[in-house]
Order: sequence, then C-alpha cells, then structure tokens
Amino acid sequence: DTGVSQDPRHKITKRGQNVTFRCDPISEHNRLYWYRQTLGQGPEFLTYFQNEAQLEKSRLLSDRFSAERPKGSFSTLEIQRTEQGDSAMYLCASSLTSYNEQFFGPGTRLTVL
Amino acid sequence: KNEVEQSPQNLTAQEGEFITINCSYSVGISALHWLQQHPGGGIVSLFMLSSGKKKHGRLIATINIQEKHSSLHITASHPRDSAVYICAVALTQGGSEKLVFGKGTKLTVNP
Repeated sequence: DTGVSQDPRHKITKRGQNVTFRCDPISEHNRLYWYRQTLGQGPEFLTYFQNEAQLEKSRLLSDRFSAERPKGSFSTLEIQRTEQGDSAMYLCASSLTSYNEQFFGPGTRLTVL
Repeated sequence: KNEVEQSPQNLTAQEGEFITINCSYSVGISALHWLQQHPGGGIVSLFMLSSGKKKHGRLIATINIQEKHSSLHITASHPRDSAVYICAVALTQGGSEKLVFGKGTKLTVNP
C-alpha cells in the first residue's frame, strides 16, 4: 500500500455513458498526476495538478475528459460519452514536489462495452 | 521513435542470475525513474536518480547523463522479482514536468 487510493478499482460501462474516478493522494503531497495505461504499454501522461491548479494537460485528454482537484486534496477524472477506445487502466500518482518520487495508486480499470 | 526505449522487452532468467535492464532516452531530463509493476497493475517506485548510482538491497540503478542511458541491475534474482520494470524520464523541455514512460521490460525469474 503506497498511501494513494483510487476508487473504484474496476468499472464496466456501456459506450456513451459517463464515468467518474476518484483519487485520494498522500495527504501532504502537493502534486497529483493522472496517467492512462493500455495493455502491453507503459503509462501515458494525462494531466497534473499543483494543489488545486491544473498545470498541464496532454493532447490525449480530449474535451470528453475533465479533471478536478477541489481544495487541493482528492481529485476526480470524468470521462463523458465513453468510447471503446477509452478502455484502459487509469492511474493516479502523487508527490511532495516535482523533484520527489511519485507514489502510485492501484489504478482504476475501465472497460467500455 | 519513442523518447524512451527499453531493452529487452522480455527477459527470462533462472533464480540467482544477475539481471540487467537498459533504458535509453533522447531528450533533456531532470530525473529518471525506475518503477516496478506487478500483475494487477500496482506500480511501485524503485529509484529516482539524476546522476551516478543508487543501491537498495539487491537493486542497483545507474545513469549516464552524457550518453542518455540508464541501467537497472538485480543481483541474485528471485522469482518474487518477476514483474514489469518501467523506465520513466522527467522532461525539462518547455517547462513541462510530465513523466514519459518506456514500454516496460517483463522479467520472469524461474525457480
């Protein structure tokens, strides 16, 4: 257990539905990152937060994706109108600063039918 | 060409063997991470380094900034070391602070 939790661990949804994932970082960590990992590939960066500010978004993050980190604590990642190509493991990580190691959550595995 | 290349993609070893996994990158970085991912998805950070060498138990990580190359070594390998090992670099380009990951090396250590 790294101290970073994600909920749910698994989500099966039908194409076109909206889904929301939650990440609870280590409490004193200012940085929070979201990544996506498909089978057989390394993770890909999606976005990151410094406290409540979203500082960078990948081009992978289409307008169907939105992430928030209200009050600089937990974060949510919402995918609207899901597509089969969204099926992946969504990973969250947190770090104290940008110069510290990142601690990863267990991930949320999304399956879009 | 990916910014981060790992080799080999797959590695099978016998218990007790010395293991080396390589990572090459093509961009300016502020740090390099070695991560371990077990079946089921959980990722654990093994090392974060920006120069030289770090050691933790049977694991050793080295980095050569000039050659843009890093290696992860496992001494006296054990079946519990079986996992995917991922190299990731922290970019310095354009103020970005994202990590770029390699595809991983799947290690299987047989008893």
